[in-house]
Amino acid sequence: DTEVTQTPKHLVMGMTNKKSLKCEQHMGHRAMYWYKQKAKKPPELMFVYSYEKLSINESVPSRFSPECPNSSLLNLHLHALQPEDSALYLCASSLIQDQPQHFGDGTRLSIL
Amino acid sequence: AQSVTQPDIHITVSEGASLELRCNYSYGATPYLFWYVQSPGQGLQLLLKYFSGDTLVQGIKGFEAEFKRSQSSFNLRKPSVHWSDAAEYFCAVGAGLTGANNLFFGTGTRLTVIP
Repeated sequence: DTEVTQTPKHLVMGMTNKKSLKCEQHMGHRAMYWYKQKAKKPPELMFVYSYEKLSINESVPSRFSPECPNSSLLNLHLHALQPEDSALYLCASSLIQDQPQHFGDGTRLSIL
Repeated sequence: AQSVTQPDIHITVSEGASLELRCNYSYGATPYLFWYVQSPGQGLQLLLKYFSGDTLVQGIKGFEAEFKRSQSSFNLRKPSVHWSDAAEYFCAVGAGLTGANNLFFGTGTRLTVIP
């Protein structure tokens, strides 16, 4: 069982829809991450939050909008996505200093 | 710049046989190294990590890995593979000021286990 919980597990949306992905952890971790993973590829880092502040944005298109409302919760707001955005979106968390990342099971997103 | 190479895209082993998955990294300083496993439709599970100290690290599920600085390698091993070990394995190197917080993944090795 993972200690990082992601909802929903699956999401199908049209290109004009607005939806959000949610990630939650209660391990007291102060760093949280969003990754995108295409089939048969490694995860690619999208965003890093450190102490609820955005610290890394890997040149992600603005149609992806992250939000960290508190230390336990991380959202990814989606708007006007493209078919190539279909992927597994993984959330991870870690203690700030030199501790490994713990991953959730991901949200499988399909854009119609 | 940091990078990770996993030269084997796909490996097939018989159940009960030994396993070694290769990982080579490129990083200017002492790296933070990790092995993760991903089953189909699942997230990534940490198998083991190397930060410093003993170069042979033990992980979960009977896995171990050895850090060899001279070869820039961090190969994963298991003496006897079980059918449940079939999955995708990713080697990763941590970089940046906090080491583990900026991960670069290899392209993965898919492990198939035959009875």
